[in-house]
Amino acid sequence: KQEVTQIPAALSVPEGENLVLNCSFTDSAIYNLQWFRQDPGKGLTSLLLIQSSQREQTSGRLNASLDKSSGRSTLYIAASQPGDSATYLCAVQTYGQNFVFGPGTRLSVLP
Amino acid sequence: GAGVSQSPRYKVAKRGQDVALRCDPISGHVSLFWYQQALGQGPEFLTYFQNEAQLDKSGLPSDRFFAERPEGSVSTLKIQRTQQEDSAVYLCASSLIAGGPYEQYFGPGTRLTVT
Repeated sequence: KQEVTQIPAALSVPEGENLVLNCSFTDSAIYNLQWFRQDPGKGLTSLLLIQSSQREQTSGRLNASLDKSSGRSTLYIAASQPGDSATYLCAVQTYGQNFVFGPGTRLSVLP
Repeated sequence: GAGVSQSPRYKVAKRGQDVALRCDPISGHVSLFWYQQALGQGPEFLTYFQNEAQLDKSGLPSDRFFAERPEGSVSTLKIQRTQQEDSAVYLCASSLIAGGPYEQYFGPGTRLTVT
């Protein structure tokens, strides 16, 4: 059974810092990996989707990498801003179609 | 264009009541998913539809949970005889094409509180 973990559970940084969020999964047989952002009381906003054949994806200040063989992904956020404060969720899509989510990393960027 | 919408956004039910949660996916999306998110946790898969066919319901926690998508568009998740442990946010997601590594788009969720 696929299990997804995320480290750290919570992170607080001053504005302007670069930071890395980590995601690990137990079964490398995945279709893709997707990073989401969730603001309090809101739904999920897709940030980046990495297909299983890809190594990384970039969007603005965000860069996500995927090492399928080792079961790891990282989300790199450059020059963090207070507006980046949210919970970041990593999810892997299995061949059964549904996503398996990690518990999330709660990020606070202090002005 | 419109994204995935869900209604109601908030629902308070007394223990033992039945509830129905609605999801309107993005028009033309073939795949539809339901997830349950407990407070402070990541979403957990409940069930999956491809058009009107329910292909996977392995995540439904008990036979009190029932989902349908009769015309392959709008879906309803029904919970009978609600219990306090059913309190959670219920998220719906849709995807354009079935059977592949395609992005899922999520609705805002319905927050269910069972008192």
